[in-house]
Amino acid sequence: DVVMTQTPVSLSVSLGGQVSISCRSSQSLVHNNGNTYLSWYLQKPGQSPQLLIYKVSNRFSGISDRFSGSGSGTDFTLKISRVEPDDLGVYYCGQGTQYPPTFGGGTKLELK
Amino acid sequence: EVQLVESGGGLVQPGRSLKLSCAASGFTFSNYYMAWVRQAPKKGLEWVATISTSGSRTYYPDSVKGRFTISRDNAKSSLYLQMNSLKSEDTATYYCARHGSIAAISTWFAYWGQGTLVTVSS
Repeated sequence: DVVMTQTPVSLSVSLGGQVSISCRSSQSLVHNNGNTYLSWYLQKPGQSPQLLIYKVSNRFSGISDRFSGSGSGTDFTLKISRVEPDDLGVYYCGQGTQYPPTFGGGTKLELK
Repeated sequence: EVQLVESGGGLVQPGRSLKLSCAASGFTFSNYYMAWVRQAPKKGLEWVATISTSGSRTYYPDSVKGRFTISRDNAKSSLYLQMNSLKSEDTATYYCARHGSIAAISTWFAYWGQGTLVTVSS
């Protein structure tokens, strides 16, 4: 199975600040079809996960451009700029290139 | 608006069975692979099962293979998860999720339901 490793485990940020979350996979996430199925999710307190980014850098419908994804192969990054209160929660990366789909352990974003 | 509404969770004894349901709306259900993803209390996300658009192909991790069965009824826009021989480690919130791209297995999870809690305990 592909192991997804997220760092840091937790992150403190001031409102209006910028943060980056790293996600590394144990194997390349480049599919035979040339796509890279790396996605990012946010789980707000008491809610189900919601999709933010898919295929490394594509923002999902309705997601603010304050969220951006980048990376390739095995190293990926989620950047959040101008952090707002509604951004707080746990962020997960996930891969859908190889079965079984797997997720990182999560990064908790809190207010400083 | 896409909606996924799970039901069927509850308290069940170890070794017993439970069947979860997910009612989908707001999209053409038969066009998408569907999945179940679970989250143990205070833990991360774990994929549990995926089913193809027609239901002819199903996929499971080793942790549930042989015990869980995913199925769908495209006429009713409904997804199911039959869970047998339940163990305490199956205790989790179970989310119904829609794959992101039409008729594709390699993917992301675009929409999630609100989840249904399954507690396996004597």
